[in-house]
Order: sequence, then C-alpha cells, then structure tokens
Amino acid sequence: DQQVKQNSPSLSVQEGRISILNCDYTNSMFDYFLWYKKYPAEGPTFLISISSIKDKNEDGRFTVFLNKSAKHLSLHIVPSQPGDSAVYFCAAFRLTTLGRLYFGRGTQLTVWP
Amino acid sequence: SAVISQKPSRDICQRGTSLTIQCQVDSQVTMMFWYRQQPGQSLTLIATANQGSEATYESGFVIDKFPISRPNLTFSTLTVSNMSPEDSSIYLCSVGRGQFEKLFFGSGTQLSVL
Repeated sequence: DQQVKQNSPSLSVQEGRISILNCDYTNSMFDYFLWYKKYPAEGPTFLISISSIKDKNEDGRFTVFLNKSAKHLSLHIVPSQPGDSAVYFCAAFRLTTLGRLYFGRGTQLTVWP
Repeated sequence: SAVISQKPSRDICQRGTSLTIQCQVDSQVTMMFWYRQQPGQSLTLIATANQGSEATYESGFVIDKFPISRPNLTFSTLTVSNMSPEDSSIYLCSVGRGQFEKLFFGSGTQLSVL
C-alpha cells in the first residue's frame, strides 16, 4: 500500500529553468511532508519540509507547496543547476509515529547545461 | 545536522550467511531507525532501535531475521540473517533531530546476496 506516490520516475530540465517535482499522498493524517535528495552511493539528504498546517515553505532556491484538498505537494527548484541532478524523494510522517517516514519511489532529476 | 557513519558501505554475500551493519552517530540520540530500499522501490522502515529496550519492528519484519542491538546512545547494529537474494538492498540507519521534522540518514550499505 503506497501511501506516498511519485508518478514521474524522471525529469529533465535545462539549467536556469524551473524544476517541478510532484508527489501525491493518500493518508490525510500526515503531519509533515519532506523532500530528500540522493546522490549515488550516498544516503538521502534532507532538503526541505512543510507542516500540514501550511501551504508553502521556501528555502533559497527550493519551495515546497502543499495542497491538502488535492493531497498533493510539489517541490520547485528555481533556478535549476547541474548540481541539482539527483534522485528526489518525497516523504511524509505522522507525529504519533516518529521516525516512521513513508517514502515515494523517487524522481530522477537531470539538469543539463 | 547529524554525522552518521555506517559500515560496511557495500558487501557481496553468499546465500545463507549473515551480515552485521554498524551505525555510529556523532552525538547521543534517543531513537535510531533502520530503513531498507529494495531495487526500484521506496525506502521502508524496518525497525526503531531505542537504547535499553528491544527494538520495535514494523509489519513484515521480524527480530529473528533482522536482529538489532543498541548498546548505547550513539551506536546501533543491524544484522541481516540467513540471507537470500531477496535481501539484496540498500540498508540505511537514520536519526532524528528536534521534533523529528528532519530525519538524517547514513550513507547506506549496499548489500548483494548471491
């Protein structure tokens, strides 16, 4: 039962343009949503999070938008850089079950010059 | 952030053998978590390791197959027992910070079982 879904396995964007990665979830009880970035042979690196009571969180070039009615969130990267090329994971958890993150399968982002 | 050292980084093992993965954190933490990522799949929580008590396992994971030790607040081990090719995965330990809105991961152990 995949509670967090990333339906696009890959995304290719030109350097300087916007990258939009999407994520859908089924459990309306999630309290937090997170994005992780993963390079080959490394563990996932925390990128940005958003509480379920907010609809937007921004950190530098990264902005996460949450649409609770649609059970959808997205990560915007502006401007995209070649160093952003990695696999991006969407994850969610409930405060009642700390540490139990539900992950999507990831989206491979490629930023080309 | 947290510095998490995990070893081995990768291993190739024979069917029926066991492998113990070590995880060392740079500061004391109450809870440590072990995750698995099977090929082409998402990360899945195996168990939560608390110091001084038995680990709590998620549905589908059992102690006999994945015994966990947590001897102190900075260290934990996960053993993959009686391995089969289906155990070929990346195994990751992780710790939380603050209110756990952030979970930090080690670099992972790439396990291949022949």
